[in-house]
Amino acid sequence: EVQLVESGGGLVKPGGSLRLSCAASGFTFSSYSMNWVRQAPGKGLEWVSSISSSSTYIYYADSVKGRFTISRDNAKNSLYLQMNSLRAEDTAVYYCARSPKGAAGVFDYWGQGTLVTVSS
Amino acid sequence: EIVLTQSPGTLSLSPGERATLSCRASQSVSSSYLAWYQQKPGQAPRLLIYGASSRATGIPDRFSGSGSGTDFTLTISRLEPEDSAVYYCQQYGSSPQTFGQGTKVEIK
Repeated sequence: EVQLVESGGGLVKPGGSLRLSCAASGFTFSSYSMNWVRQAPGKGLEWVSSISSSSTYIYYADSVKGRFTISRDNAKNSLYLQMNSLRAEDTAVYYCARSPKGAAGVFDYWGQGTLVTVSS
Repeated sequence: EIVLTQSPGTLSLSPGERATLSCRASQSVSSSYLAWYQQKPGQAPRLLIYGASSRATGIPDRFSGSGSGTDFTLTISRLEPEDSAVYYCQQYGSSPQTFGQGTKVEIK
């Protein structure tokens, strides 16, 4: 069974930093592209960042470019999102999501999400 | 950036009825790279449809997708009480990939 479990969310002041983690199990993690998608409270979905299976290709939404860094450790079956210079508008539930092989950009499995609140 | 506009905002129907959800793109979605997701309160989204019309693993055949270019449709042929949710379309043919604002389906 595919499982994605996020952690690392919490309350942080504007300008602060946070590192999110996503632990994957139930599939060959090193063979799949992975993604972060967020959802502000009561709002819709927003793609944040993607990383290819071997970290060769990395993409960011303009809203987070230069502040967030996506990475992965295939030996530990883990995905990360380092978030710096956080702003109030970064407040959201952050989901880790897998892309199926041959369908980059589609998200076939999602974690339950971790809440990030940016507030003074 | 491709903007996706979903309509209606809310759909209120009875069990057994047919639901038709629309997703219109501001420009053509290349290769029909259009997906649909279902999200229930407090839960993560669930992939229903990708490639405009291909059902994801385990999705009941009462869910179907159609369309091309700028106009796409998600149809739920016979509504079940558990279909009450918000439905999002997403295009992944152009960067950045974008989502529609969602359509809420209420079961009377």
